[in-house]
Amino acid sequence: DAKTTQPPSMDCAEGRAANLPCNHSTISGNEYVYWYRQIHSQGPQYIIHGLKNNETNEMASLIITEDRKSSTLILPHATLRDTAVYYCIVRVVRGNRDDKIIFGKGTRLHILP
Amino acid sequence: DAGVTQSPTHLIKTRGQQVTLRCSPKSGHDTVSWYQQALGQGPQFIFQYYEEEERQRGNFPDRFSGHQFPNYSSELNVNALLLGDSALYLCASSLARGGLVIIQYFGPGTRLTVL
Repeated sequence: DAKTTQPPSMDCAEGRAANLPCNHSTISGNEYVYWYRQIHSQGPQYIIHGLKNNETNEMASLIITEDRKSSTLILPHATLRDTAVYYCIVRVVRGNRDDKIIFGKGTRLHILP
Repeated sequence: DAGVTQSPTHLIKTRGQQVTLRCSPKSGHDTVSWYQQALGQGPQFIFQYYEEEERQRGNFPDRFSGHQFPNYSSELNVNALLLGDSALYLCASSLARGGLVIIQYFGPGTRLTVL
């Protein structure tokens, strides 16, 4: 089972910041938080990941609480192209070994014009 | 730099037939994972290949098998197709020796319809 809990859907006005929450209260010390999104009928797209510090890249920012039990993905200026299902995932990183991704149901984000 | 590519894009088969799906990983990647995504659901892990061997397997029957070639490309084979095998099949590649943080990059998928 997925180790994360996300709201099933959210709306955001175009041009505003979209804040997507994720609860991962059972996260272990060696688990990272990853975010992917999936635009309709396409493959999932990697967005960002983090361990305990806040992270930012050209797509988004990831804010992880100090106790690491929850996080928020922030799309600073949402556009219609950001309409997608967003998956929050926790994964163990084992050094020289990749591991399967367990997807939950994600959050369906609707960007409203 | 080409990303993960998959072929074919779409495929229609009938029950009982066999199908082969193909995946070319992102340049420099050595690990290929396969996922099945039924309509309205999140992707489900099928198996992963590394160094031409199956490294991990999800809860899928033996009708699902795979192969990885020396150039790291991979095939997914499904025998005795059932209606329930209709889904989007996703391939993801990663570099296992990429350091502490490993990122899987997904291809566009193959849409399989079983009639």
